[in-house]
Amino acid sequence: DGGITQSPKYLFRKEGQNVTLSCEQNLNHDAMYWYRQDPGQGLRLIYYSQIVNDFQKGDIAEGYSVSREKKESFPLTVTSAQKNPTAFYLCASSPRTSGGINEQFFGPGTRLTVL
Amino acid sequence: AQKVTQAQTEISVVEKEDVTLDCVYETRDTTYYLFWYKQPPSGELVFLIRRNSFDEQNEISGRYSWNFQKSTSSFNFTITASQVVDSAVYFCALSEAFRAAGNKLTFGGGTRVLVKP
Repeated sequence: DGGITQSPKYLFRKEGQNVTLSCEQNLNHDAMYWYRQDPGQGLRLIYYSQIVNDFQKGDIAEGYSVSREKKESFPLTVTSAQKNPTAFYLCASSPRTSGGINEQFFGPGTRLTVL
Repeated sequence: AQKVTQAQTEISVVEKEDVTLDCVYETRDTTYYLFWYKQPPSGELVFLIRRNSFDEQNEISGRYSWNFQKSTSSFNFTITASQVVDSAVYFCALSEAFRAAGNKLTFGGGTRVLVKP
């Protein structure tokens, strides 16, 4: 089945530690995205990538880093510089077209808790 | 800057009632796209509809319908004859037209719908 997988589903981290969230897609989509969702709020864009080896900062990139070495993978690292990392993290992907906008497809999310 | 406002934070209805979710957006672009997503308790967002700014025709899909009014910058969503399975958080989102820099979605704060049996 085609889709987006995120792992782990739940993640606990001690303060001061870096942690990497995994996102893999087998939809052959060019673009991938990372969002953060806080309780009772909408999604905010952290980083996005339209092509391998290229990515751009979203609205709240500080304290996060990403890489895009393979088309199907877009891991997110939450660094110790992120002051309030406890949140629900969603990965998404979309096909790239020459015109128009396609919907983004979302993974099941990773809930990160800093202890 | 783009902005999406969903003024209703939570709506509670009894099964079989209709429920309308409001979405008001702000953008300076003349070409843009609007979306609705559903987030069930499992957490994964499920795509419901996409509409571009040139298509103001209302749409119906089963028990779901959407009313796009450019004059009031609104894209409202109605669930007819609600069911318990409709209980979820619903997000309205706005995207600029495609540019080389990427497809950025701006989300509203979401409306939680609770359908009671």
